Amino acid sequence: QISLKESGPTLVKPTETLTLTCTFSGFSLITKGEGVGWIRQAPGKAPEFLAVIYWDDDESYNPSLKSRVTITKDTSKNQVFLTMTIMDPIDTATYYCAHRLGRGYNWFDPWGPGTLVTVSS
Amino acid sequence: EIVLTQSPGTLSLSPGERATLSCRTSQVVASSYLAWYQQKRGQPPRLLIYGASSRATGIPDRFSGSGSGTDFTLTISRLEPEDFAVYYCQQSETFGQGTKVEIK
Repeated sequence: QISLKESGPTLVKPTETLTLTCTFSGFSLITKGEGVGWIRQAPGKAPEFLAVIYWDDDESYNPSLKSRVTITKDTSKNQVFLTMTIMDPIDTATYYCAHRLGRGYNWFDPWGPGTLVTVSS
Repeated sequence: EIVLTQSPGTLSLSPGERATLSCRTSQVVASSYLAWYQQKRGQPPRLLIYGASSRATGIPDRFSGSGSGTDFTLTISRLEPEDFAVYYCQQSETFGQGTKVEIK
């Protein structure tokens, strides 16, 4: 059974860099096709795709955030990381990581429970 | 960039009624890339439908998806109390703005 869980700071200051960790089980990012994505959701808003990384190190980013976002992985620890620079109060949101079966299967299933990140001084 | 427009914004229905939710894309998309999610307050989105019409594992058959081209539909044949939630469509890396199904 696949599960994922996000961890990281709950409060960051404006201009700081956010780093989140997604720890997962039930699959491996050394298996052909597998991927993990990051999606965020501001309060009362729709989900917003941030980035996805695949087993072969291929990455894809939301074009509007690409200059600020980096996704990386540690396959030995079953972890994926999200780094977002120059945080702003508008980046306040619940950040989710989610499993993607492959590039030809562009839905996310399942999702982690999410972690609320507040950006405030 | 593809834009997904969901309608209506809010659907007020009673348990047992049929719900029909629409997702319109700004350009023709492959049906295989269209998914639907259900989200309840305080929970992550849950995959309901992928490939426009295939139910995800464990999803009751009262949920069905259809459509092609630019027009897609999620239908809940008979609303159960646990179905009152927000529903999102997704195509590739884009999500719609959601439809809230609320109790009338």
